[in-house]
Amino acid sequence: GQQLNQSPQSMFIQEGEDVSMNCTSSSIFNTWLWYKQDPGEGPVLLIALYKAGELTSNGRLTAQFGITRKDSFLNISASIPSDVGIYFCAALNYGGSQGNLIFGKGTKLSVKP
Amino acid sequence: DADVTQTPRNRITKTGKRIMLECSQTKGHDRMYWYRQDPGLGLRLIYYSFDVKDINKGEISDGYSVSRQAQAKFSLSLESAIPNQTALYFCATSVKGSLTGYTFGSGTRLTVV
Repeated sequence: GQQLNQSPQSMFIQEGEDVSMNCTSSSIFNTWLWYKQDPGEGPVLLIALYKAGELTSNGRLTAQFGITRKDSFLNISASIPSDVGIYFCAALNYGGSQGNLIFGKGTKLSVKP
Repeated sequence: DADVTQTPRNRITKTGKRIMLECSQTKGHDRMYWYRQDPGLGLRLIYYSFDVKDINKGEISDGYSVSRQAQAKFSLSLESAIPNQTALYFCATSVKGSLTGYTFGSGTRLTVV
């Protein structure tokens, strides 16, 4: 079946550092999404990407939809303690027979003040 | 009030007991999902429902059952709980053709002893 390979699995960084994580697949998707899960809560949508090559920002977050439509990355600039959590990539082929999101296994981010 | 409400938030139960996790939503979405989260394994789909009369198994449905009592309510049952069903469970909702992914509840932490 379709799978998303998300890396790294975990990161431990110093406050103020930039962060980069990515998601790859052998399958083509027409929508890529990035979610953040705060400790004790459900995932919340951060950024949605709908077009190959698209680069979208949300504050200190920047995400890109890969040209091949098989990958996406998320960058966080100047990290702060509240960036702590698990970041999930997700992909979708809307209009398909099911339209279910597929999730990566997550990147756990820890930020040291 | 939360758009997607899960009850209970935490539950400890004994092996062999039947337990029901409940999810209700006020978003008016037609699609509802149950996921299980385990450390390092990401979010795995248990069951999903595209409307009240349409229920489908996900990738890990064994040992679980669901009921879609109304468009706004989707419950997950463990008929005979076992320790390896100890996990964080999430309900999510979406709209057919949505370009913004899913809305998640805050989760139910289930411990089977």
